[in-house]
Amino acid sequence: AQSVAQPEDQVNVAEGNPLTVKCTYSVSGNPYLFWYVQYPNRGLQFLLKYITGDNLVKGSYGFEAEFNKSQTSFHLKKPSALVSDSALYFCAVTPLSGSARQLTFGSGTQLTVLP
Amino acid sequence: KAGVTQTPRYLIKTRGQQVTLSCSPISGHRSVSWYQQTPGQGLQFLFEYFSETQRNKGNFPGRFSGRQFSNSRSEMNVSTLELGDSALYLCASSDTSGSRTDTQYFGPGTRLTVL
Repeated sequence: AQSVAQPEDQVNVAEGNPLTVKCTYSVSGNPYLFWYVQYPNRGLQFLLKYITGDNLVKGSYGFEAEFNKSQTSFHLKKPSALVSDSALYFCAVTPLSGSARQLTFGSGTQLTVLP
Repeated sequence: KAGVTQTPRYLIKTRGQQVTLSCSPISGHRSVSWYQQTPGQGLQFLFEYFSETQRNKGNFPGRFSGRQFSNSRSEMNVSTLELGDSALYLCASSDTSGSRTDTQYFGPGTRLTVL
């Protein structure tokens, strides 16, 4: 079975500082990893995904994520945080085999960017 | 293209009733998945439909059912509602290939409250 873990329930960062939201995964073989963001009373918005290739994936709104196979991590990063980045962030993985194609989500990390 | 739309956005029901939620995918998308989001359990997969066929189902009781129409629109039904069914129900559609690497795009969700 595949899973992802988000070790931090809450991350606080000052506006203008770099931000990192952590995600680790547990799968056999190569993972397909995703990041989504959820604003209050909204659905999930896709940020980026890693399928294969370059370990640094660039996504929407200036976010990027680094895939690290040796550390089984896929941390989300942004060089300079904005107050508007405050939201709930989810890491997700899809199964590697079988008929299932659903996303398995982490528990979410609440990011607060302080002005 | 218009995004994924879900109706209604909010619902209040009482225990024992049944409810039907609707989802219209992005034009051209043939796969529709449903997820339940609760504070305690997080985001959990309900089922996926592709070309009017249920392709996969999550670990939910038979009270939860769904279907997909020829225009790819989907409905999910919950019968004999319980208090624990109170949740945000999210629908997601993905590209036509049906690959596990496809990006899933989410609607705004339907907030169901069971009293």
